[in-house]
Amino acid sequence: TQTVSQSDAHVTVFEGDSVELRCNYSYGGSIYLSWYIQHHGHGLQFLLKYYSGNPVVQGVNGFEAEFSKSDSSFHLRKASVHWSDSAVYFCAVRNSGGNYKPTFGKGTSLVVHP
Amino acid sequence: GPKVLQIPSHQIIDMGQMVTLNCDPVSNHLYFYWYKQILGQQMEFLVNFYNGKVMEKSKLFKDQFSVERPDGSYFTLKIQPTALEDSAVYFCASSLGDTQYFGPGTRLLVL
Repeated sequence: TQTVSQSDAHVTVFEGDSVELRCNYSYGGSIYLSWYIQHHGHGLQFLLKYYSGNPVVQGVNGFEAEFSKSDSSFHLRKASVHWSDSAVYFCAVRNSGGNYKPTFGKGTSLVVHP
Repeated sequence: GPKVLQIPSHQIIDMGQMVTLNCDPVSNHLYFYWYKQILGQQMEFLVNFYNGKVMEKSKLFKDQFSVERPDGSYFTLKIQPTALEDSAVYFCASSLGDTQYFGPGTRLLVL
């Protein structure tokens, strides 16, 4: 069974700040890791994913995430946030076999003040 | 990008009645999913569906729940009968493989 932990329920920053949203997982096998964004009142939108290769993956709108096997982490980062980045961010993990059934974290609400 | 549509956007229903939530997935996608999200909480997997069959379902997918996609039309989630604890936002998603595309959700309120 895989688990996903997002330690920060809420993060507040100002426009132009850098931000890191944390995600830790537990699973013994090969996994896919993803980040999704959910704007208020909307469904989730895919940001990026990692399975193998370069541990730093680039996503849309300047987001990137870094996989660390030693830390069991897949933190999401952005160098300079915009107010429109305000949303809830979900980390997800699923095993590489199986039926495409991801486990989502509880989400981190990011608020960017202008 | 590809869009998943959900109909209706909101539904209010009396406890014990039946409700059907409709999902119009991305046209060439093969895998379909339903998730439940209670306000302010995480997305919880309910069920996934491929080639006309349920592949996997969670403990949240009670006996009162059923899914189908007759002849490539809407992918539906039916709840019969509904209970108060079914009040939530239900998200549909579809995928060709790993990356899922989500609909905007149906907000279900059971009174």
